[in-house]
Amino acid sequence: DAGVTQSPTHLIKTRGQQVTLRCSPKSGHDTVSWYQQALGQGPQFIFQYYEEEERQRGNFPDRFSGHQFPNYSSELNVNALLLGDSALYLCASSLGRTPETQYFGPGTRLLVL
Amino acid sequence: AQSVTQLDSQVPVFEEAPVELRCNYSSSVSVYLFWYVQYPNQGLQLLLKYLSGSTLVESINGFEAEFNKSQTSFHLRKPSVHISDTAEYFCAVSEAAGNKLTFGGGTRVLVKP
Repeated sequence: DAGVTQSPTHLIKTRGQQVTLRCSPKSGHDTVSWYQQALGQGPQFIFQYYEEEERQRGNFPDRFSGHQFPNYSSELNVNALLLGDSALYLCASSLGRTPETQYFGPGTRLLVL
Repeated sequence: AQSVTQLDSQVPVFEEAPVELRCNYSSSVSVYLFWYVQYPNQGLQLLLKYLSGSTLVESINGFEAEFNKSQTSFHLRKPSVHISDTAEYFCAVSEAAGNKLTFGGGTRVLVKP
């Protein structure tokens, strides 16, 4: 049974570019949450998708957007990249509308130069 | 708004010695509490969780945490650590099942031989 998978594992971009990160949830899970973990800090919640709709959103600018597909996989898009967007981006999946536990993927490490 | 404070950023400890990682939270409502572990260059793995019931929760690898509502704490302990416990540990809180996780800044545990 595959856990949460994310692609790519590493990515280098330059300021002003756009990036798309991908996440496949654990088998049977239908809710996907995205977190940003800057170096030396705890993860910060970006947003959560359930039934292809954004259900919750953290304190991130509109440059951060997402999407959930009918197969429950998800994408995180970041436009107009800033140096400060360099971080590990974590995807977490869970089951149901009120899941108890979120399972995390290995993350995508984004470096913005 | 909820917040989580991990009082120690780094904890050096000798192998087979006990360790305690402190976590305090603030919230105006009832919460669910979690400890996650992050090994180098990996995502987060759930260590243990408190949802309701007994205030003492245990993991399969010897860690335990106790929920103290009056002190708003959820400290993590292990009576005897191994080299393999070297990792970063994150305390997290959510105000309802399925809601966003709010993480502390993390505590880096370095187990010395």
